[in-house]
Amino acid sequence: DSGVTQTPKHLITATGQRVTLRCSPRSGDLSVYWYQQSLDQGLQFLIQYYNGEERAKGNILERFSAQQFPDLHSELNLSSLELGDSALYFCASRANNEQFFGPGTRLTVL
Amino acid sequence: GESVGLHLPTLSVQEGDNSIINCAYSNSASDYFIWYKQESGKGPQFIIDIRSNMDKRQGQRVTVLLNKTVKHLSLQIAATQPGDSAVYFCAENIGGATNKLIFGTGTLLAVQP
Repeated sequence: DSGVTQTPKHLITATGQRVTLRCSPRSGDLSVYWYQQSLDQGLQFLIQYYNGEERAKGNILERFSAQQFPDLHSELNLSSLELGDSALYFCASRANNEQFFGPGTRLTVL
Repeated sequence: GESVGLHLPTLSVQEGDNSIINCAYSNSASDYFIWYKQESGKGPQFIIDIRSNMDKRQGQRVTVLLNKTVKHLSLQIAATQPGDSAVYFCAENIGGATNKLIFGTGTLLAVQP
């Protein structure tokens, strides 16, 4: 158990819908990273937050957005969902140079 | 462009043998490299890391080698055990202090009893 929690574990929705994925970092970690893992793209960095502020952006679509709240939990919002958005979404929190990954949310878009 | 790739998508070894998983990276400015292990249904788990000013680092049963000349990284697992069966990813930090990681495509390690 990494200490990072993610909810929900599974999510099934339809194209065009919007979903919110939630992540709670390890106690004391200020950084949260979001990743997408799909079969054809591997593990892709999406976005990073540090203490409530956006710090780095990766291959994140404009339909996707994220935020980190004062209690340091983070949410990843995915809108206008497409079939190709089906993937595992991981968040990770960071201590020193090590990133600790959560168990992931499996999103299925039908 | 930014990419990290693996030479071998699948590696099958006998229990007790040593395993070597290879990775090529493309960004010569990367200052930090990590190996992750991902078991089925779980998130990636940190195994070992190495800074760009080193060429070798050892952990418990694992060794990472870095060859900056040819931009190659390898993970050696000694006395491979069935519990080592997983997908292994290399990652390079291209973001300096932000710790922005680019992951390789992964190698599936299958340990035969």
